[in-house]
Amino acid sequence: NAGVTQTPKFQVLKTGQSMTLQCAQDMNHEYMSWYRQDPGMGLRLIHYSVGAGITDQGEVPNGYNVSRSTTEDFPLRLLSAAPSQTSVYFCASRPGQGVVGNEQFFGPGTRLTVL
Amino acid sequence: GEDVEQSLFLSVREGDSSVINCTYTDSSSTYLYWYKQEPGAGLQLLTYIFSNMDMKQDQRLTVLLNKKDKHLSLRIADTQTGDSAIYFCAETSDSGYSTLTFGKGTMLLVSP
Repeated sequence: NAGVTQTPKFQVLKTGQSMTLQCAQDMNHEYMSWYRQDPGMGLRLIHYSVGAGITDQGEVPNGYNVSRSTTEDFPLRLLSAAPSQTSVYFCASRPGQGVVGNEQFFGPGTRLTVL
Repeated sequence: GEDVEQSLFLSVREGDSSVINCTYTDSSSTYLYWYKQEPGAGLQLLTYIFSNMDMKQDQRLTVLLNKKDKHLSLRIADTQTGDSAIYFCAETSDSGYSTLTFGKGTMLLVSP
């Protein structure tokens, strides 16, 4: 199993550009999430999904869109990049309710800089 | 919303024990986790404890849970320089969908 994979590892954008951060998992997990990590702020939840076709907003959803057309993939779209979106983005997945431990697995992260 | 608090920084000498503390507010927490993040890397799950347990030991790691005080601790015995990292406490409940709530992380610095 590859676990949770994210692409790209690094990205530089100009203000106003759009892009999609890719995330995939091969563990057949129901739940997937996107977080951003900023210095001194810890991890903040952007959007999450409890299954294919079902998504919801987290703590900081503005400026981001998600969709979940398959169990495996959960892309994060930046609609019009702003310098405030400079951050490290982590995708994560976990089995779902009722699974003992329900451990969350993280991808390696995407480091995004918006100029 | 629910909250998880951690001290921001801990410095120890190699060979000493490290204790990282965490408090949380959600009384319906089912699982509590400790994650480790090394520089430039993602988060790695170290261990978790179910809310009906008081203690869990896994090699050099001991997790203590005081559910009454909503206090969680991670003890690392014989701390090594390779243990230097940021440690995150997180909690979730198991009712319906529940997000993980993370603390801001404790930076552990181990000096030789």
